[in-house]
This record gives sequence, structure tokens and C-alpha cells, in this order.
Amino acid sequence: SYVLTQPPSVSVAPGKTARLTCGGDNIGSKSVHWYQQKPGQAPMLVIHYNSDRPSGIPERFSGSNSGNMATLTITRVEAGDEADFYCQVWHNTNDHRGVVFGGGTKLTV
Amino acid sequence: QVQLVESGGDLVQPGGSLRLSCAVSGFSFSDYYMSWIRQAPGRGLEWISYISNSGSTIYYADSVKGRFTISRDNAWNSLYLQLNSLRAEDTAIYYCARESTSSPDVFDLWGQGTLVSVSS
Repeated sequence: SYVLTQPPSVSVAPGKTARLTCGGDNIGSKSVHWYQQKPGQAPMLVIHYNSDRPSGIPERFSGSNSGNMATLTITRVEAGDEADFYCQVWHNTNDHRGVVFGGGTKLTV
Repeated sequence: QVQLVESGGDLVQPGGSLRLSCAVSGFSFSDYYMSWIRQAPGRGLEWISYISNSGSTIYYADSVKGRFTISRDNAWNSLYLQLNSLRAEDTAIYYCARESTSSPDVFDLWGQGTLVSVSS
């Protein structure tokens, strides 16, 4: 099965840049999506198709994907950005198709 | 209002059954693929099942295959998940999420979730 690896936690000072990584075998060949989940809330999409922002998501959020690593970058980090972040891909095999989530990264500001 | 609202979560004994529902409003349900995704307490997200917009294609995670059944009723704008042979490790918040047929592979809207607790 396909595995996505995220660091359990990342800490960043307010106003600085946070880089959250998502590792996977040849992940650069897949479309990666990122979700933010604040305590007690459902996940919310913040980046889709590697680097596109849904409407309403600040320009401070950006994404990239190449080789074996995808990255979510948050510039000028604010206290309100503190949350768990999950990367996600679809993975196809010969007889199966399924969604894979990374284990999540807790961003502490 | 565009929203997904789950219901049906409850406390159930091991080996028991439950049926979850996801009521959809504010958009054309038949234009969207749907999935169920769960989150055990203090844990990450786990996708468990997918159904195409017509209902003709279905996928399950290995962890629930043979025990859970996904279905939908486009006339009633509703998604369902039948949970059988429940185990303690099925305890989780269960979310329904939509995936546009025009922008597939990404979950652009999630419900608030319904809690399933499996315990004796």
C-alpha cells in the first residue's frame, strides 16, 4: 500500500514561514491535496492539485510537489493558523483504488 | 446553504450494527462522488469508502471491506454507510465528504461528523 509520511509536529514563531512536508514514493507524479483541521472542527481544504488555492484561502498558503516530497508553505504565520495539517492523494493499483492520508502534522505557532 | 450533515452515530456493543446517513443540501448531489472518512479519538484521518455519482463504482479500505456498505439515494440527496460487525477499533468520528466530478480526487466539502462509539 502507498504511504505518506508527515512529521508529527512543526513549530514556528508568528510572522515566520512554516514548511510542512509530505513524503511518498514518486509523489511528484500524483496530485497532492492539503487539509487544515482545527480542534473540534472538520478538515478544510487549503491546497488542491499540488499548488492551487481554493477560493477564500489566503495567498500565504502555497504548495509544491516534486520527486518524493510535497510541501505546504505558510508565510507570515499567524496564531490562527495553528492546527493539524494532512496531505492526501489517490492511489491506484491494478485492482484497487483508494485514498491515502498522511499521518498529519501539528503546527504550533 | 451548501452543506453535508451526518447523523446516526451512537454507542453500540461490539458485534453490533449501525447505519449512518449524510444529508446533502445546496448543490446537485448527483454531480458529486462521495466518500466516508473517519477519525479515531486523537488520531489522523482514515478514508474508508467511496461511491461514484451514479453509485455504480464503489471502493473500500481493507480495514472495513466485508463489514461496511456504502450506498446513496440521489432522489433523496442522501449518502449512507451501513456498519456491521463493529469492533472497538471502529470507534471514531465519521465524516462524509464530496468530490466534484469536474475536479475529482479532492474533498472540497466535509460534514461536521457523527460519533460512533463501540464498547461493551
